[in-house]
Amino acid sequence: AQTVTQSQPEMSVQEAETVTLSCTYDTSESDYYLFWYKQPPSRQMILVIRQEAYKQQNATENRFSVNFQKAAKSFSLKISDSQLGDAAMYFCAYGGGSGSQGNLIFGKGTKLSVKP
Amino acid sequence: SAVISQKPSRDICQRGTSLTIQCQVDSQVTMMFWYRQQPGQSLTLIATANQGSEATYESGFVIDKFPISRPNLTFSTLTVSNMSPEDSSIYLCSVQRDAKNTIYFGEGSWLTVV
Repeated sequence: AQTVTQSQPEMSVQEAETVTLSCTYDTSESDYYLFWYKQPPSRQMILVIRQEAYKQQNATENRFSVNFQKAAKSFSLKISDSQLGDAAMYFCAYGGGSGSQGNLIFGKGTKLSVKP
Repeated sequence: SAVISQKPSRDICQRGTSLTIQCQVDSQVTMMFWYRQQPGQSLTLIATANQGSEATYESGFVIDKFPISRPNLTFSTLTVSNMSPEDSSIYLCSVQRDAKNTIYFGEGSWLTVV
């Protein structure tokens, strides 16, 4: 069975600085997707960034980028120029290939605080 | 992305009662999913709802406790039956919008059972 591990329950960053959130996963599949979701106090799960396993290039979305190390099964999220609005829970998630649509496996989350 | 609306956004329920959560999507989707997030925990998939067929439940979740309806391609309901305090959770409706297994979530329904 697939597992997702986020080893940092809480992280803190100074406004305008850079922070990296860690995520490791375990799978025997070759076709899969990885995601980072943000959950602010409003509780809504917001997709931050997505990575296809077959792509070697790391995904980037504005201030958010990932470091995808497939052999090491590592998928970290880097937030550059942190803003107060980035404060939230961040969940790493694994999605299998076409045979497991919709069943995302989530890590336990990392609570990110941003200090002004 | 997708616009996914859920009702109610929050409710306080009496033990032993049932509550139905509604989920409306802004366009047609084949598959809708219901997740549960218990306090301080991560998300767990309850079931997958396809239009025109019975929902498929994950291990640990049963239809009698969480009946689901999917009358059309833009709407679904989840009922939490005979509630106990252990059912106090955020329930999230979600949809898949592309072939890359990307799941978009509604705002969530926060239920507290007293």
